[in-house]
Amino acid sequence: KAGVTQTPRYLIKTRGQQVTLSCSPISGHRSVSWYQQTPGQGLQFLFEYFSETQRNKGNFPGRFSGRQFSNSRSEMNVSTLELGDSALYLCASSLEPGLTDTQYFGPGTRLTVL
Amino acid sequence: QKEVEQDPGPLSVPEGAIVSLNCTYSNSAFQYFMWYRQYSRKGPELLMYTYSSGNKEDGRFTAQVDKSSKYISLFIRDSQPSDSATYLCAMSVRSGGYNKLIFGAGTRLAVHP
Repeated sequence: KAGVTQTPRYLIKTRGQQVTLSCSPISGHRSVSWYQQTPGQGLQFLFEYFSETQRNKGNFPGRFSGRQFSNSRSEMNVSTLELGDSALYLCASSLEPGLTDTQYFGPGTRLTVL
Repeated sequence: QKEVEQDPGPLSVPEGAIVSLNCTYSNSAFQYFMWYRQYSRKGPELLMYTYSSGNKEDGRFTAQVDKSSKYISLFIRDSQPSDSATYLCAMSVRSGGYNKLIFGAGTRLAVHP
């Protein structure tokens, strides 16, 4: 079974731009969560989607948004990029929402903001 | 103060050594405790999962939880160079009707031949 895939793997943007990251969950998994990983703050939860609805949200500004499609694929968008948004963005999928013990992570998208 | 504290290391050990990785936490409501391993340029993968105090063993790995001291550990026996990675502890708590997962900062481990 294919794992969680994320595209693109690497991105370089400049301040003020916006970016869209994509995540395809494991086949059959309906819940997708997004995390931001930085050396200073570690892994922090962004939001979780299930059945095309955001079910849970972390403490991030409104510039961070996401959506989920009917095939469970998910995208996250960051608008008006800031230098501090440089991070590894990880997507994780699970069969159902809230199953934090059986989340499978993708390889991440490395975003660099210049 | 962070809810979950983890020494970032790095920790360097010779092959065959017993490795001890630790996390402390402040929220007594944490219910589930996990250890993830993250290789360079990869996403985290779940290694161990437990919800009660005590020990849980899986091959060379043992997870230990002490809820009274708010302390969890991961022991790696007979460490191998392939164990070189960052190890993240994570804890789950029910909050606002949802499960919330909090990660430690991660400890970088290097096992040298």
